[in-house]
Parts: sequence; C-alpha cells; structure tokens
Amino acid sequence: GAVVSQHPSWVICKSGTSVKIECRSLDFQATTMFWYRQFPKQSLMLMATSNEGSKATYEQGVEKDKFLINHASLTLSTLTVTSAHPEDSSFYICSALASGSTDTQYFGPGTRLTVL
Amino acid sequence: GEDVEQSLFLSVREGDSSVINCTYTDSSSTYLYWYKQEPGAGLQLLTYIFSNMDMKQDQRLTVLLNKKDKHLSLRIADTQTGDSAIYFCAESTTASKLTFGTGTRLQVTL
Repeated sequence: GAVVSQHPSWVICKSGTSVKIECRSLDFQATTMFWYRQFPKQSLMLMATSNEGSKATYEQGVEKDKFLINHASLTLSTLTVTSAHPEDSSFYICSALASGSTDTQYFGPGTRLTVL
Repeated sequence: GEDVEQSLFLSVREGDSSVINCTYTDSSSTYLYWYKQEPGAGLQLLTYIFSNMDMKQDQRLTVLLNKKDKHLSLRIADTQTGDSAIYFCAESTTASKLTFGTGTRLQVTL
C-alpha cells in the first residue's frame, strides 16, 4: 500500500525558534498533500492544502505566515512552524493524495511538537 | 459548515462485535471513511464507502450507510485487544477535503 513518512516523529524546541516538519510519499507521487493539527483527545483539524508547484491553500483561522508550507516536489511537502510558542505544541499529521486520485488520502505517522 | 459526530467511548469484551456509529450533516458527501488511530500514531485507513452504496464488507469489518438519515456505522466482528484504538469517521465531497468526526475510543476488555 501507499506509504507516507514524516520527519521528525517528535521534536522539542525552545519558544521563538522555528521547526520544519517533512512529509514524504515513499512509493507514489502526490500532487496534493494536506496538513492537519490534532490536539490531545480531539479530532484532526485541516490546516492547509499543499499543491506541488503552487501556493498552499490555508483554512480559515490558520496564519499562513506562521505555518509556512512548501511543496517543491511530487514526493515532499514541508511545514515550518515559525517563531514557535507553547500554544503551537500539538500533533501535526500530513496526508497525501496519489496523483490522479481524488478519493483516498494516505496519512503519515504524525509529528509531535512540544514548545517549551 | 459540515459536522460529523460520534460517540466518545465504547467498551466491548474480546470476541464480541463492536458497532461504532457516526452521523453527518453534509448531504453532498461523496465518500465516507473509517480510520483507526493507535496511541501516538497517524491514521490508518480501514475502509471507505461511496455514498451510493448501502453496505460494504471487508473481512471482519462491515460498513453500513443510511444516506436518508445520514448515518454511518462500522461493525467489527470478533473484536480483539489489538482493535483497541480511536476510530474516526470522515466524509468528503469531490473536493477531497476530509471532515473528521470527533473520534470514538474503543476499549476491548478480556
């Protein structure tokens, strides 16, 4: 089956620093990737849709200057949390749509971010 | 906007059947999904059903869809301890954007 990886799996950083999270589709090409955020014991909330070669589309209430998304190739999207603060601590999950597919998203294992 | 609701918790004995329910509000939903999330992990797609289907069976999993009532259920036969996890239903229209339910924590006891 389709495999999506994320790196790192967990990260602890100081307040004010920036953190980059990578999402890779390992055995398929993904024109579209999605970034979600999940708070403890809550559901996933879509943050943005990342399209290869174009700007990401952000959901309402998500600051595009704080959560920078780059989708430079068909197998890699990155999410950079800039000037992270404790309230940004969360579980970040990406998913990928196989190119040409509109019905199945394959999810990465998630990245747990803790900002001290 | 779209809303997807699930009960928060379900406890069943090993070997029994589990039924996890989900209701949604978007009548234009095209696909409905069930995902499984184990602690500290991402989401694993279990199964999905097209909105023009009533039922789909895949080994121990049976999905039932009542489109009129906008009700989706997942039945797990012969529930095992390894089935303990959080189960999310999700819906999408043709835009491929998923709206997730609140998640149901399934606890399997011996």
